[in-house]
Amino acid sequence: GQNIDQPTEMTATEGAIVQINCTYQTSGFNGLFWYQQHAGEAPTFLSYNVLDGLEEKGRFSSFLSRSKGYSYLLLKELQMKDSASYLCAALDSNYQLIWGAGTKLIIKP
Amino acid sequence: IAGITQAPTSQILAAGRRMTLRCTQDMRHNAMYWYRQDLGLGLRLIHYSNTAGTTGKGEVPDGYSVSRANTDDFPLTLASAVPSQTSVYFCASSDSLTNTGELFFGEGSRLTVL
Repeated sequence: GQNIDQPTEMTATEGAIVQINCTYQTSGFNGLFWYQQHAGEAPTFLSYNVLDGLEEKGRFSSFLSRSKGYSYLLLKELQMKDSASYLCAALDSNYQLIWGAGTKLIIKP
Repeated sequence: IAGITQAPTSQILAAGRRMTLRCTQDMRHNAMYWYRQDLGLGLRLIHYSNTAGTTGKGEVPDGYSVSRANTDDFPLTLASAVPSQTSVYFCASSDSLTNTGELFFGEGSRLTVL
């Protein structure tokens, strides 16, 4: 079956760095997405990786290893507003999105 | 309207009643989707539409129907609501037919079926 695994919850300190991991098993692979979702709000797009490597976008970076079925989202210089759930989603061979349950990130002062 | 709009924001509904969740987008996106989000689970696709006049079934289509009469509107209907359909429903759109583009989500409709 197809599956996405990511930690349920993580805690980090304001100003620090946090890495949220995601592993996937899919029938084929056409890329991996990260979305941010604040409580009670809609998910918003953060990144899309289809090639191996690190892509940096301001304080947020996303990494992909296709051979390992692994991705991570790296958040630097954490701010209180980064408290949210982070959703990992993989695109399978039929271009269907398989979503993880999300990682709730709690930022403490 | 800017982006994608859903209505109602929230609704409490008696079991057995019919309910339509509305979704409108002004971005002229071809692809539109309905997801449900439940605690502890990933987003699950209910139905989708790649273009006006066509629809398809997602992962959890039973008990739901959709229509796509035009590009902008994509309503979701629960013909006879059941308590297991209590959830938060998100409508989304994309300009990519292969899902490789960004999904734009509405603010969600929280539905409680009693």
